[in-house]
Parts: sequence; C-alpha cells; structure tokens
Amino acid sequence: DVKVTQSSRYLVKRTGEKVFLECVQDMDHENMFWYRQDPGLGLRLIYFSYDVKMKEKGDIPEGYSVSREKKERFSLILESASTNQTSMYLCASSHGYRGYTEAFFGQGTRLTVV
Amino acid sequence: DQQVKQNSPSLSVQEGRISILNCDYTNSMFDYFLWYKKYPAEGPTFLISISSIKDKNEDGRFTVFLNKSAKHLSLHIVPSQPGDSAVYFCAASGGTSYGKLTFGQGTILTVHP
Repeated sequence: DVKVTQSSRYLVKRTGEKVFLECVQDMDHENMFWYRQDPGLGLRLIYFSYDVKMKEKGDIPEGYSVSREKKERFSLILESASTNQTSMYLCASSHGYRGYTEAFFGQGTRLTVV
Repeated sequence: DQQVKQNSPSLSVQEGRISILNCDYTNSMFDYFLWYKKYPAEGPTFLISISSIKDKNEDGRFTVFLNKSAKHLSLHIVPSQPGDSAVYFCAASGGTSYGKLTFGQGTILTVHP
C-alpha cells in the first residue's frame, strides 16, 4: 500500500511563528505536492516538487516556502504564520512526469493559527 | 479563475438510488480527470479516473462519463449506500504536468438509509 504520512494531525500555532509541516512517502514517487483545503474552495495547490531540490509554485504560494532535500520527504514552511493560514493542509505524491496518474494523499494536518 | 467547477455544494439521495455528481471544466488542455472521495479529518482517496480518449469508465458501482465537447464530466454511483456519504472532489490534469491536479470545490453527498 502507498503510504503518505504527515507528521501531525492537529497543530495550534501563534501568529508570527515559523511553522514546519512534514510529509514522507514510501513509494519512491518523483512528484510531491502541498494543497490546502478550505470550505467552498476545494483543494488549492500551494507548491509542488517533481524531483529532489526542484520546486515550483502552485496557485497560492504567498506566505509559504518548501524544501525537498530527499526524494521521500517534502516540507511546507509557513515563514510567519497568520490567522488566514488556518486550514487543512494535505500532502500528496504521485509517479511520473506526464500526469496520467492518481495522486495519493496523506491524512491531513488541521492547522489553527491563533 | 476556477478552472474546475462543481456547481452543486450538496446532494441528498436515498439508499439504493442513483447518485449523480457533476463537474465542469474550462481549460482545454486538461486531458485526464479523476474523482476523489473525502471523509472528515482524513485525506482524499482516489475513486476513479478517465482519460480524454474515452467517454466512459466503470469500476464496480462507480461510473464516470466524459463529454469533451461540453467540457463536462459526471460520476454515477449505483446503488448508493450510506457509507458513500462523503465529500466528492472532481480533479483534472493535462499534458506534462507532473501530475499536478486542479480540483473543484467539492460536493457533499449524503445517502439516507
């Protein structure tokens, strides 16, 4: 079974804190993604990576950065957390460069910024 | 600019009947479409997909139909079961996109016993 594991299920952070969300996959997938899910907006892509040390901005990258030092691990960083970053964060991974494949998701991290 | 739209926020059906969830897209470059199911406090799980060279794909109780000229796809669940109650997301990707998916807003399906 493909496994995508996110380091925390629930997090509460204070405004202005630097926040790290970690994601690990065990299927040797090339591609990894960070999405956030908000009611009425669906899932929106924050950043993705198609190889180690390679990253590209998604649709809503402002206020976020990412790191991929190893193939299996993809980290999302909130440089200075704000209340509008309170959301469900979902990591995903997939195989291949042409996109004709499903992505596998982690269980999600519910982040609350107070 | 919402490139993938699910215009029905919610759908309620009786157990045993058909559930039909709809999705529209605007980007002509999309050529691969997927449906995901999501329970609260869990990540989405893949249900079924279809490429643009087909107009129908079946997997058990789930069938996806694609109408390319209308840029419309639908997911049929027959028969619906209470365990199908969840949020359903339509997603699309295209070409050499590294598997990057664009999602709709989601439809909450409730199946009543």
